[in-house]
Amino acid sequence: DIQMTQSPSSLSASVGDRVTITCRASQGISNYLAWYQQKPGKIPKLLMYAASTLQSGVPSRFSGGGSGTDFTLTISSLQPEDVATYFCQKYNTAPGTFGQGTKVEIK
Amino acid sequence: QVQLVESGGGVVQPGRSLRLSCAASGFTFRNYGMHWVRQAPGKGLEWVALISYDGSNKNYADSVKGRLIISRDDSKSTLYLHMNSLRPDDTATYYCAKELTAKIIFPAPLDDWGQGTLVTVSS
Repeated sequence: DIQMTQSPSSLSASVGDRVTITCRASQGISNYLAWYQQKPGKIPKLLMYAASTLQSGVPSRFSGGGSGTDFTLTISSLQPEDVATYFCQKYNTAPGTFGQGTKVEIK
Repeated sequence: QVQLVESGGGVVQPGRSLRLSCAASGFTFRNYGMHWVRQAPGKGLEWVALISYDGSNKNYADSVKGRLIISRDDSKSTLYLHMNSLRPDDTATYYCAKELTAKIIFPAPLDDWGQGTLVTVSS
């Protein structure tokens, strides 16, 4: 099965900083990659799919990129409400493996 | 407005069985593939199983294959997860989730999630 590896596992940045999270697939998955945000104590929320398509209602400071094996999620200007754990997920075929998560905190 | 409400969780002894339900409303249930995703306490998300919109395609994580069975009853707009031979490492909050795209056989991103139901496997 294809493994999904995120980096870093956690990060701390200041409000207004640009933040980038990386997700790497062990084999190519084209652009079948989604990103989810899970705030503390809350359910996951779909942020992005097809690697770079913003889900409806998601702020434009979030962007995604990549194809094949390497993907990124970027927050252009970190806000306090972005404190959360972010997960990538492949969905080209089952299993729909998630990355291990990246916890984003405010410095 | 999409609503997904899980139920059936609780404390169960190792080796026993449990059935989780997910009652769906606010969308045409029979047109969407559905998934179960679990999250152990303090851990990340683990994909568990999917069933396509028409029930023709079911897939499972290796960790649950042969023990957990996904099914759906479109007449009741309800998704199920039949859990057999439960183990302590099955302890998690189980979420049902709806696919973003209607009427596709292959997996899709998950755009709506329930609040989850906690399953604790312990003697």
